[in-house]
Amino acid sequence: KNQVEQSPQSLIILEGKNCTLQCNYTVSPFSNLRWYKQDTGRGPVSLTIMTFSENTKSNGRYTATLDADTKQSSLHITASQLSDSASYICVVSARQSNFGNEKLTFGTGTRLTIIP
Amino acid sequence: DTEVTQTPKHLVMGMTNKKSLKCEQHMGHRAMYWYKQKAKKPPELMFVYSYEKLSINESVPSRFSPECPNSSLLNLHLHALQPEDSALYLCASSQEWGAHGGETQYFGPGTRLLVL
Repeated sequence: KNQVEQSPQSLIILEGKNCTLQCNYTVSPFSNLRWYKQDTGRGPVSLTIMTFSENTKSNGRYTATLDADTKQSSLHITASQLSDSASYICVVSARQSNFGNEKLTFGTGTRLTIIP
Repeated sequence: DTEVTQTPKHLVMGMTNKKSLKCEQHMGHRAMYWYKQKAKKPPELMFVYSYEKLSINESVPSRFSPECPNSSLLNLHLHALQPEDSALYLCASSQEWGAHGGETQYFGPGTRLLVL
């Protein structure tokens, strides 16, 4: 069964500090991994997408890493800001072939709170 | 324009009512999605439309009826809902569905639905 587990479940850090969120998955056959940011009551916003051959991708202060061998990904946030307070969701895509149906498995998210 | 709009923002309905949720995008995307999200849970895929045709129905009860009148619009018709259907309903779109390498899904802000 395809699963995506995220840790920690919630995290509180001081403004300006760095933090790292973890994502472990058992999704097969792996196609790509995405990180989304979701503010409360809003739709998710894409941060990064990584395929099998990519092991790091940055989007401003967000840097995602992917280790396809250990099936782990991390999202590192540098110099956190109050606006970073949100849920961060790891989503892993599985697909049988280049033209097959894509199946997304969502993690349960990490709730990040930045305090001044 | 990288926006997906959804109306209404909030909806309260009785179990005997018929209502519709609307979603619109003008990015030329050919894939559109409906998700259901309960509080503190990740989004759950309900339907995928690709090139205006229903491609995926994730065993959604028939009281939810999707419709794609054209490539920019996606509706979700609701009839005889149950209180447990109360949730945030998210619409998303992407350039294509299931393209190799993954397609960024752009989410709308959601419709907060309460069934009494």
